[in-house]
Amino acid sequence: DTAVSQTPKYLVTQMGNDKSIKCEQNLGHDTMYWYKQDSKKFLKIMFSYNNKELIINETVPNRFSPKSPDKAHLNLHINSLELGDSAVYFCASSRKLHNEQFFGPGTRLTVL
Amino acid sequence: GEDVEQSLFLSVREGDSSVINCTYTDSSSTYLYWYKQEPGAGLQLLTYIFSNMDMKQDQRLTVLLNKKDKHLSLRIADTQTGDSAIYFCAESSQTGANNLFFGTGTRLTVIP
Repeated sequence: DTAVSQTPKYLVTQMGNDKSIKCEQNLGHDTMYWYKQDSKKFLKIMFSYNNKELIINETVPNRFSPKSPDKAHLNLHINSLELGDSAVYFCASSRKLHNEQFFGPGTRLTVL
Repeated sequence: GEDVEQSLFLSVREGDSSVINCTYTDSSSTYLYWYKQEPGAGLQLLTYIFSNMDMKQDQRLTVLLNKKDKHLSLRIADTQTGDSAIYFCAESSQTGANNLFFGTGTRLTVIP
């Protein structure tokens, strides 16, 4: 009965590879998000996605692209991985007009 | 942009009260949150407060908001070793896509 789930939990890959992280929510929420938590535990918003409207944090490289096959899923694709992409990535969701966000367990990405 | 600041570390003895402080800059903040992150785990929403409230109490947790000074605090009464974690303050406004802006997190260590 997990509300927001992410797969995989851990991802280790080499520089230059392309990888995806999946996120699914069963809360019926309209808005989903991706956050990046760096080694200093600082959380930053990467994307917000609401009813097919994507809002991108301008600091996010275009190697990162979110893809939403349906309202319950927002997957994160990363091309040409770099060492600096190593971090924990959190997915979250919220109702359209309700600010409370529910977070997934995180995916720890390590780029070698 | 929005700026949310917290002190990085706090140590308290088991049974004492803990007070974690947070300051923010966005005067249009509508909701303010406290999240807990245990080692290796995802983010857990502890509590939140609307900007038109001064205080909210939930069992051992008390949230105080000074909107004039843009200061938020979380008090944990009778702190237990299980409370050891990183606590994130976050704020959002009704504008944009419901983004949450997080502080750097405060690492609370409870000494037995």
